[in-house]
Amino acid sequence: DTEVTQTPKHLVMGMTNKKSLKCEQHMGHRAMYWYKQKAKKPPELMFVYSYEKLSINESVPSRFSPECPNSSLLNLHLHALQPEDSALYLCASSLEGGHADTQYFGPGTRLTVL
Amino acid sequence: GDSVTQMEGPVTLSEEAFLTINCTYTATGYPSLFWYVQYPGEGLQLLLKATKADDKGSNKGFEATYRKETTSFHLEKGSVQVSDSAVYFCALRKGSQGNLIFGKGTKLSVKP
Repeated sequence: DTEVTQTPKHLVMGMTNKKSLKCEQHMGHRAMYWYKQKAKKPPELMFVYSYEKLSINESVPSRFSPECPNSSLLNLHLHALQPEDSALYLCASSLEGGHADTQYFGPGTRLTVL
Repeated sequence: GDSVTQMEGPVTLSEEAFLTINCTYTATGYPSLFWYVQYPGEGLQLLLKATKADDKGSNKGFEATYRKETTSFHLEKGSVQVSDSAVYFCALRKGSQGNLIFGKGTKLSVKP
């Protein structure tokens, strides 16, 4: 099974709301990723977790707060977002994070900030 | 810095036509190379990969060969189908952290 699941599929939120995105995998992968994808653009890396520790933060604003409660789960907490944060948020996982590892992507959460 | 350049799209082909999507990369060291496909409204799916020079990745009739001398990883398919309509991303990955660096994507439309 090479499935990464993400919930919710769609999310609409106001600029004062707090919401969370959830990602789950049961492949035994130890590296997990959050990407942001704007329309007609490639995905841009936001965060990398390796063995449940944050290893990369690509200078993402603090209104995005990642969390990795265990090796199967990855959350992205959202607070005080701006309309320009509207995008498709993709989660991915890979075995350990080495350069030859394949990253498996979830279907994404389409976020709209009003 | 490291980068990936893909041919500009959109590419429109008739069913059963031959497909080539060009991809070249700039990187120090020895990256792994990937092609991902994104169907409308979905996430990315790995199409194929190659981890060292002269490796050929293949899947579902698609092929790409890792050419270090030309720093290329062109995607080919001998006979496309309408169901191949999607956006195709070339990507590289290197180093212990292994972050993916994507090209801008090429949209393929296949007409019956």
